[in-house]
Amino acid sequence: KAGVTQTPRYLIKTRGQQVTLSCSPISGHRSVSWYQQTPGQGLQFLFEYFSETQRNKGNFPGRFSGRQFSNSRSEMNVSTLELGDSALYLCASSPSAGLNTQYFGPGTRLTVL
Amino acid sequence: EDKVVQSPLSLVVHEGDTVTLNCSYEVTNFRSLLWYKQEKKAPTFLFMLTSSGIEKKSGRLSSILDKKELFSILNITATQTGDSAIYLCAVEENYGGSQGNLIFGKGTKLSVKP
Repeated sequence: KAGVTQTPRYLIKTRGQQVTLSCSPISGHRSVSWYQQTPGQGLQFLFEYFSETQRNKGNFPGRFSGRQFSNSRSEMNVSTLELGDSALYLCASSPSAGLNTQYFGPGTRLTVL
Repeated sequence: EDKVVQSPLSLVVHEGDTVTLNCSYEVTNFRSLLWYKQEKKAPTFLFMLTSSGIEKKSGRLSSILDKKELFSILNITATQTGDSAIYLCAVEENYGGSQGNLIFGKGTKLSVKP
């Protein structure tokens, strides 16, 4: 089975722009979660989607949003980018709802200039 | 303040040593505690713990949870250089119904020297 794939792998944006990241889960997995990882804050949970519905949500501002499509693929959008949004964004999928037994993708490295 | 605290932050051992990694937490509505191993980029899932006193074991790794004292330990016996990684502890907090959050500790960086 192919693993979790994320596109793009690297991205450079400027402050004020918006960005959309994509995640394709493992075939058959219906839950997709998003995470932000920075050297200062470590790994932080953004949100989880299951069957196109947001189930769990971390403590991030409304500029961070996501959605899931009927084929379980998910997108994450960050609007009005700030320098502090520079991070590795990881996506993880799971066969069932919940935040355990997740398989992580390679991540998208976002740099905001 | 940090809700999930891991210790030590870093650890250097020699192959064959046994190590114990600690994770203490303070959340209002605990649902589960998870351990991950992060080598290069993507973390890999190790254990999920929900009940006190029940040891989870996988090869040389084992973990146990104490819900009364609010901590968990991850043990690695007969360490190998391939165990070198950052070990992350995360606590799932329940907000009600199916809503919740996953809070990570800063991790323990383990280096195993030959």
